[in-house]
Amino acid sequence: AQSVAQPEDQVNVAEGNPLTVKCTYSVSGNPYLFWYVQYPNRGLQFLLKYITGDNLVKGSYGFEAEFNKSQTSFHLKKPSALVSDSALYFCAVRDRGYSTLTFGKGTMLLVSP
Amino acid sequence: DAGVTQSPTHLIKTRGQQVTLRCSPKSGHDTVSWYQQALGQGPQFIFQYYEEEERQRGNFPDRFSGHQYPNYSSELNVNALLLGDSALYLCASSRDRANEQFFGPGTRLTVL
Repeated sequence: AQSVAQPEDQVNVAEGNPLTVKCTYSVSGNPYLFWYVQYPNRGLQFLLKYITGDNLVKGSYGFEAEFNKSQTSFHLKKPSALVSDSALYFCAVRDRGYSTLTFGKGTMLLVSP
Repeated sequence: DAGVTQSPTHLIKTRGQQVTLRCSPKSGHDTVSWYQQALGQGPQFIFQYYEEEERQRGNFPDRFSGHQYPNYSSELNVNALLLGDSALYLCASSRDRANEQFFGPGTRLTVL
């Protein structure tokens, strides 16, 4: 069975500072990894994905994520946080043999002015 | 190009009733998946439809059923509603089963 862990319920960062939201995963084979963002009363918006290739993946709104196979991690990063980045972030994994997503519990990112 | 649309936006039902939620996939997408997101949790996979058939199912009881129409739109039906069925129900579509999923805004179901 595949699973995702997001160890932090909440991450607080000041505007302009770098941010990291952590994610670790467990799958039986090679993973497809995703990050989604959810704003209040909204559905999930796709940010970025890792399929294969370069371990550093660049996505929407200046976000990027680093795939680390040995540590089974896929942390989301941004060099300079904006107040508008405040939202709920979900990491998700899909085993290449399946098409369904398994999500973590989510991490609330709060960026203070 | 319209994205994934869901209706209704909000719904209030009482225990024991039945509910039908609807989803129209993004243009060009033929696969629809449904997820349940309880308050404070990540989305949980309910089932996936492709070519009008249920292809995969998560750990949900038979009270949860669905349908996909020839135009790829889909319905989620829940019978004998329980208080614990209160959640945000998300529909996601993809261009075949292997591609990334795009989510609709969700239907907020409240069971009283």
